[in-house]
Amino acid sequence: GAVVSQHPSWVICKSGTSVKIECRSLDFQATTMFWYRQFPKQSLMLMATSNEGSKATYEQGVEKDKFLINHASLTLSTLTVTSAHPEDSSFYICSATKHPWDSYGYTFGSGTRLTVV
Amino acid sequence: DAKTTQPNSMESNEEEPVHLPCNHSTISGTDYIHWYRQLPSQGPEYVIHGLTSNVNNRMASLAIAEDRKSSTLILHRATLRDAAVYYCILSGTDKLIFGTGTRLQVFP
Repeated sequence: GAVVSQHPSWVICKSGTSVKIECRSLDFQATTMFWYRQFPKQSLMLMATSNEGSKATYEQGVEKDKFLINHASLTLSTLTVTSAHPEDSSFYICSATKHPWDSYGYTFGSGTRLTVV
Repeated sequence: DAKTTQPNSMESNEEEPVHLPCNHSTISGTDYIHWYRQLPSQGPEYVIHGLTSNVNNRMASLAIAEDRKSSTLILHRATLRDAAVYYCILSGTDKLIFGTGTRLQVFP
């Protein structure tokens, strides 16, 4: 089956530093990858959609200069949280769709718990 | 994006069937109905999906109303491991937008 690997599973960083989170599709080509964030006891909120080789499309209210997304290949997308602050502490989850898309096509990573101190 | 409405929470006893409802009155003809579930501190896990016909897999069954304005996820025999938040999501070929989901509690 389709597997998406997300790394790291948790990270603690100091305020003002940047953190990179990787999302890899292990056994399929992912034309499109999605990044979500989730606060405690809340649902997943879509942050952005990234297509391989093109700029990410950010949802309304998400700062593209703060959350840098790179989708350089069909198997790897990265999310960099720049100049992180405590309010950026959250659970970040990536998802990938297969190429070509089929109706099964959304696989999620296991998430990254970011804590900014 | 078409929205879905789910109860905030439901309870079940172990070994009993569970019917999780979802209303989606604004569904379009090309929207698939997806169900995912999320255990604490994990990413969502695929459960089942369908378009028009009822669907069965090893995890669950999906019953879709004839007018497609509602659907029901059926867990035939709930186990403690089924305790999770269940999300009913409509999507075409693009992004998945999550609603608030139904928190299922399973009691031994």
